[in-house]
Amino acid sequence: AQSVTQLDSQVPVFEEAPVELRCNYSSSVSVYLFWYVQYPNQGLQLLLKYLSGSTLVKGINGFEAEFNKSQTSFHLRKPSVHISDTAEYFCAVTLNAGKSTFGDGTTLTVKP
Amino acid sequence: NAGVTQTPKFQVLKTGQSMTLQCAQDMNHNSMYWYRQDPGMGLRLIYYSASEGTTDKGEVPNGYNVSRLNKREFSLRLESAAPSQTSVYFCASSETWQGGYEQYFGPGTRLTVT
Repeated sequence: AQSVTQLDSQVPVFEEAPVELRCNYSSSVSVYLFWYVQYPNQGLQLLLKYLSGSTLVKGINGFEAEFNKSQTSFHLRKPSVHISDTAEYFCAVTLNAGKSTFGDGTTLTVKP
Repeated sequence: NAGVTQTPKFQVLKTGQSMTLQCAQDMNHNSMYWYRQDPGMGLRLIYYSASEGTTDKGEVPNGYNVSRLNKREFSLRLESAAPSQTSVYFCASSETWQGGYEQYFGPGTRLTVT
């Protein structure tokens, strides 16, 4: 079975600063990796996903993530955050056929 | 396209009452899911339907039942609500059951059981 660990439950950061949200996973087989964002009182929406190929994946709103197979990580980064990036972020893992496993979430708070 | 819709948005139940949460998607997706979200615990899968006509248990199915009414609709029923079922419930859909396909989420139903 696969598992996902988001290493930080809360990340406070000032506006225009860079941010990294960390995600590690464990699986004995190849996986697909996702980052979702949840704004207050809304459902989750896809930020980006890694299926294969280039390990650097670009998503919406200036976010990107890097897949590191040797470290089983898929960290999310943004070089300069905005107030509007304040949200909860979820890392998720899916096997070739089967259910997704979500991390517990990281709350990103961007302060002015 | 409305995407994934859920009704109701909010619900308060008393212990022992029953209710059905409704979910519909207009993206012609084959697979549909029900999750619950509790603070600090991420999303936990309750039930899923890989394709029309099939349903299977997820991680936390106890106390719930589901019906895949047709390709569009997937309902979640609480037969006898308990305070432990106080949560936010999300319905989601994806093109297929195979990995690599993103899930599309509804806006959620906030359920309180007193």
